[in-house]
Amino acid sequence: QQQVKQSPQSLIVQKGGISIINCAYENTAFDYFPWYQQFPGKGPALLIAIRPDVSEKKEGRFTISFNKSAKQFSLHIMDSQPGDSATYFCAASKEGGSEKLVFGKGTKLTVNP
Amino acid sequence: NAGVTQTPKFRILKIGQSMTLQCTQDMNHNYMYWYRQDPGMGLKLIYYSVGAGITDKGEVPNGYNVSRSTTEDFPLRLELAAPSQTSVYFCASSLGTGGRTEAFFGQGTRLTVV
Repeated sequence: QQQVKQSPQSLIVQKGGISIINCAYENTAFDYFPWYQQFPGKGPALLIAIRPDVSEKKEGRFTISFNKSAKQFSLHIMDSQPGDSATYFCAASKEGGSEKLVFGKGTKLTVNP
Repeated sequence: NAGVTQTPKFRILKIGQSMTLQCTQDMNHNYMYWYRQDPGMGLKLIYYSVGAGITDKGEVPNGYNVSRSTTEDFPLRLELAAPSQTSVYFCASSLGTGGRTEAFFGQGTRLTVV
């Protein structure tokens, strides 16, 4: 059973456009939702994270939108740049479950110049 | 500051061979993890540890073993390698309460079993 469903699997955006990646979760006990960014040949690195007490968090060009009632959260990349080309993973964890991260399957983003 | 270091970076094993993937971190983190990453499948947790001497199974532990004798080191042992274990393996660590703080990943070990 996939606990965190991520879409799309791949995404191609033109430079300057908006990239949107969506995730949905099933377990209402999840209360921490990070996004990780992975460049080819590298390990994932934390990009931005949100807790369900807020509906939106913004860091520079990256924004997480969170909809608790729909059990969905999304990553928006504004003014997408070729350097943003990477694979993005959403994840979730819950307090008390040894707090392990459950990852989505990833989205490969390509930003064309 | 090296962070999380994994060795080797690449390895080819024959079916039935054994090997140990090394992972060490210099951030004094209590939590350490082993994930495998298969194309289009995300990251699956193999084993994790909440501190020296304590380990537990993750989602896909079969065919693997771990130990945590020190805070710094968390080796992953593959016994009797099988083609299904062909994957990229990532070690990670975090300071505090597991997945609720930033996890730092190593650069990965690409393993091929032939």
